[in-house]
Amino acid sequence: QSVLTQPPSASGTPGQRVTISCSGSSSNIGIKTVNWYQQLPGSAPKLLIYSDNQRPSGVPDRFSGSKSGTSASLAISGLHSEDEADYYCSAWDDSLNAWVFGGGTKLTVL
Amino acid sequence: EVQLVESGGGLVQPGGSLRLSCAASGFTFSNDWMHWVRQAPGKGLVWISYINSDGSRTNYADSVKGRFTISRDNAKNTLYLQMNSLRAEDTALYYCARGAKNAFGIWGQGTMVTVSS
Repeated sequence: QSVLTQPPSASGTPGQRVTISCSGSSSNIGIKTVNWYQQLPGSAPKLLIYSDNQRPSGVPDRFSGSKSGTSASLAISGLHSEDEADYYCSAWDDSLNAWVFGGGTKLTVL
Repeated sequence: EVQLVESGGGLVQPGGSLRLSCAASGFTFSNDWMHWVRQAPGKGLVWISYINSDGSRTNYADSVKGRFTISRDNAKNTLYLQMNSLRAEDTALYYCARGAKNAFGIWGQGTMVTVSS
């Protein structure tokens, strides 16, 4: 069982907007920034969003992150077929003294 | 081009040892914290360990504390993970990652470790 909680699956049609939630606690998301990673099938993870809502160079602005309290969200607008992947949230946990991940959300583009 | 290339994975018996390596290129390795993250087959990501830029500070997940040791050779631009007393539950794809922007900024392609008799 992961420290951060994500829905196991999400889906949308091309062009739609989808959001993926990530729920944590006062020892992680509540006081630390959240990062999001995209893992395409058969590939290594890639940093998608850092510091709650910042995009690394090269990440399309269709991807956005937000945070409120002990929860965070990843939004993908204008869904593309190539967005089909697993998405993970992550944050530092002060109580565990460790980096923690969500269990991952498998996004299907219908 | 920034690149991380892991090696050293393989099949090992329970109780055995293995040392993973991660060769870095395309950036100033000695400036950055580095991490190991693993992913069991069909499962999610799990952080294992970090080491600071000069190797003076390390940290481990409880699941590997006392069995795994992270280290680095900045002269060789290489990160290591010494894994002892391996268990079946350590079977996973092991990724090294560059710490940047308080996140795992760049990932290698991973090296597979299988613990089985």
